[in-house]
This record gives sequence, structure tokens and C-alpha cells, in this order.
Amino acid sequence: DAKTTQPNSMESNEEEPVHLPCNHSTISGTDYIHWYRQLPSQGPEYVIHGLTSNVNNRMASLAIAEDRKSSTLILHRATLRDAAVYYCILPNAGGTSYGKLTFGQGTILTVHP
Amino acid sequence: GAGVSQTPSNKVTEKGKYVELRCDPISGHTALYWYRQSLGQGPEFLIYFQGTGAADDSGLPNDRFFAVRPEGSVSTLKIQRTERGDSAVYLCASSLSGLSTDTQYFGPGTRLTVL
Repeated sequence: DAKTTQPNSMESNEEEPVHLPCNHSTISGTDYIHWYRQLPSQGPEYVIHGLTSNVNNRMASLAIAEDRKSSTLILHRATLRDAAVYYCILPNAGGTSYGKLTFGQGTILTVHP
Repeated sequence: GAGVSQTPSNKVTEKGKYVELRCDPISGHTALYWYRQSLGQGPEFLIYFQGTGAADDSGLPNDRFFAVRPEGSVSTLKIQRTERGDSAVYLCASSLSGLSTDTQYFGPGTRLTVL
């Protein structure tokens, strides 16, 4: 199964951009890259996903390397509400066609005022 | 619209007791997932329902754990003879059709404490 590797923690200041990296060197051609985040005492929430091209939505941007072996979640202006654990996930990686999410340890993002 | 709801939000029980945890998915979502999250860890997959059937129960840790979704909407996770190691947050998620590209919407979880 393709696995993801993320830094254990990162810090940012409020209103500054944050770049959260994820390595997935064994990704296959059909594996989508999904990002979820989990705020304290809440269930995870979807952030963004992509396959090959960079993606933007109202929450964040996803930059995918040309070889797809890594990706970066970009929060353009971090707020205190963005403090959470961020998970990079490959839902297809187990060979299933359904969304069996395998969460790793994720990256704990701390945002300083 | 209403999101995924889970009841109870907290459950404290004694070792050996039986517990039921309930999940109300988003209306119209055919796919429902249960995950378990231990302290300091990411959620771990337990079981996936497509409609009324359990399409993948490979994550259930042992035969004390069972889940049902009899009418294809509400699901109940049942744990028999609870053990202290079952203490965790149990999360439920639903998605529109179960495709791996579908967004999963999570509930707030049920925190289970086994004394």
C-alpha cells in the first residue's frame, strides 16, 4: 500500500502562509491525494483533494509535484482557527474503489497570534 | 443542512458491559464508515457500509464488535463484553456514494470510556 509521510509538527504565525508537505513516493498513477484536518475535540473535516493538477478551493490550495511523489497543502493566510492536525491520505492506496481512509499521525499545526 | 450526528457524545461503562453507539448519516448518503481514534493517534478504519450491507468489516478488532445498518441510514456499532482497551473516540462518517474520491463527512464522535 502506498504510504504518506508528514512532519510531526509545524508552526506558523497568524496571517502568514503555511506550506504543509507530504511525501508519497510509492503513489500509483490512479491514487488521488486527499487532505483532511481535525480541529481539537472534533471529527476530521475534508480540506481538498487532487490527482495531477494543482487545485484550489476556498479553504486551501494543493500543489502536486510533477512526479506526484509529493504534495503540499497551502493555507494562504493562517488564522487561529486553522490550528489542527492535518492528514495527507491516499484513499485508493489499499486497492479499494471505496473511501477506506488510512490516517497516519498527521502534522500538528500550531498558529501563533 | 444537518451533518452527521452521533449519540451519545460520551459513554462511560464498566468492564464487561455491552454498549451501543449510534450514527445518523447525512440524508441520502449510501456510504457509511466507522473509525476508532485512540488518544494521540489518527483515526483507524473499522467498517464500511454500502446501503444496508457491510462491504468491508476488516477493521473490526475482534468478534466483540458488530455493526448494523438495517434500513440503509442509521447505523449502530455494538460492543460486547467491553474491555479497558476499547476506550477511544468512535467516529462515524458518511459519503454520497462510497467512491474513493467522495468527500467523507464526519460526526463529532462518541467518547467511550471503559472503567
